[in-house]
Amino acid sequence: TQLLEQSPQFLSIQEGENLTVYCNSSSVFSSLQWYRQEPGEGPVLLVTVVTGGEVKKLKRLTFQFGDARKDSSLHITAAQPGDTGLYLCAGHGSSNTGKLIFGQGTTLQVKP
Amino acid sequence: SQTIHQWPATLVQPVGSPLSLECTVEGTSNPNLYWYRQAAGRGLQLLFYSVGIGQISSEVPQNLSASRPQDRQFILSSKKLLLSDSGFYLCAWSGRLGDTQYFGPGTRLTVL
Repeated sequence: TQLLEQSPQFLSIQEGENLTVYCNSSSVFSSLQWYRQEPGEGPVLLVTVVTGGEVKKLKRLTFQFGDARKDSSLHITAAQPGDTGLYLCAGHGSSNTGKLIFGQGTTLQVKP
Repeated sequence: SQTIHQWPATLVQPVGSPLSLECTVEGTSNPNLYWYRQAAGRGLQLLFYSVGIGQISSEVPQNLSASRPQDRQFILSSKKLLLSDSGFYLCAWSGRLGDTQYFGPGTRLTVL
């Protein structure tokens, strides 16, 4: 069974600090997605990474896919209160079902 | 552009009552459709997926069923709700299996 382990599960920081969220697995994924979710709403896609070693930037967010395509990280520079939310990583499993395997999520709180 | 709708947004139902949640997609044809359930602040669990009208695959045994009566309509149902059916239900679509999935706004179901 393919699993994605996200860490940390909870993170509370002050505005302006940097942070990194990790998404790790012992399995290879064809692609990994990062989503951000606000309470009571559906997850919103931030980025998809598909190539080992790939780095993508979205303003203050930097996403990296591991060389072996088994792990990914999300780094936020100078966090803002608007970054508060639940961050989810998800990867497509080895079966041909299109099934997305989700990590447990990281709840981020950025205090002003 | 594509949009995905879910209704109702919130629902409170007594144990033993029936359930029908609806999901519709606009702006695309032949989408793959998915139903997920999410525990509070956690990752998502895939319940059902569909690659076409009348084609439903179940990922986990449960008290729920799904149907796809039209190309862009996906329905989640139950004949008799259990307390354990409470949760946040999310519908998603993708262009092909293995493509990025896009989520609807979700339905908060509370079974009392």
